[in-house]
Amino acid sequence: GAGVSQTPSNKVTEKGKYVELRCDPISGHTALYWYRQSLGQGPEFLIYFQGTGAADDSGLPNDRFFAVRPEGSVSTLKIQRTERGDSAVYLCASATSGTETQYFGPGTRLLVL
Amino acid sequence: GQQLNQSPQSMFIQEGEDVSMNCTSSSIFNTWLWYKQDPGEGPVLLIALYKAGELTSNGRLTAQFGITRKDSFLNISASIPSDVGIYFCAGRTGNQFYFGTGTSLTVIP
Repeated sequence: GAGVSQTPSNKVTEKGKYVELRCDPISGHTALYWYRQSLGQGPEFLIYFQGTGAADDSGLPNDRFFAVRPEGSVSTLKIQRTERGDSAVYLCASATSGTETQYFGPGTRLLVL
Repeated sequence: GQQLNQSPQSMFIQEGEDVSMNCTSSSIFNTWLWYKQDPGEGPVLLIALYKAGELTSNGRLTAQFGITRKDSFLNISASIPSDVGIYFCAGRTGNQFYFGTGTSLTVIP
């Protein structure tokens, strides 16, 4: 079956612009996670959704970052007033609720110039 | 946030050799996980560990959950070229997963 998909695969933007990153989880997975991975580092937790609600958003670095999942499926990570330090790979993962087996998407590579 | 230290940072080994890598934390975790990440892809779960002292195998891979709950190791036996990649440990606390810095493995045929 289809895995987790993320779009776009690459995004180049200018400092100060607004970007949206999309995640399509595996059908039926109620848990959805966003991570940020900088070069040479492991993924860093950003936010966790259980269904439509953000159950834990403590990893969001500041109020420029926001994520939604209005219908409990597709999620969008939104970054306002992008900064060069936001450049990273943004990974999305989904899971059946209550399990550790997260299925990761290929990520969106964001470059802020 | 939680700090997970992985070692070694990188490894260059001959095909057929065994590999060992470990992960230590300043905090206790209830679950330890090991992932492999290939270039341009997301991490893929290899092994999950749920109890202190647990030893679990998945083919040529064996991992253990440390008794102190602050560490874990991963062994790969008889390495093959497709084992190349970056290996990450991760610890789970509640709904959050904390990843290590990764061990880059290169297998020389």
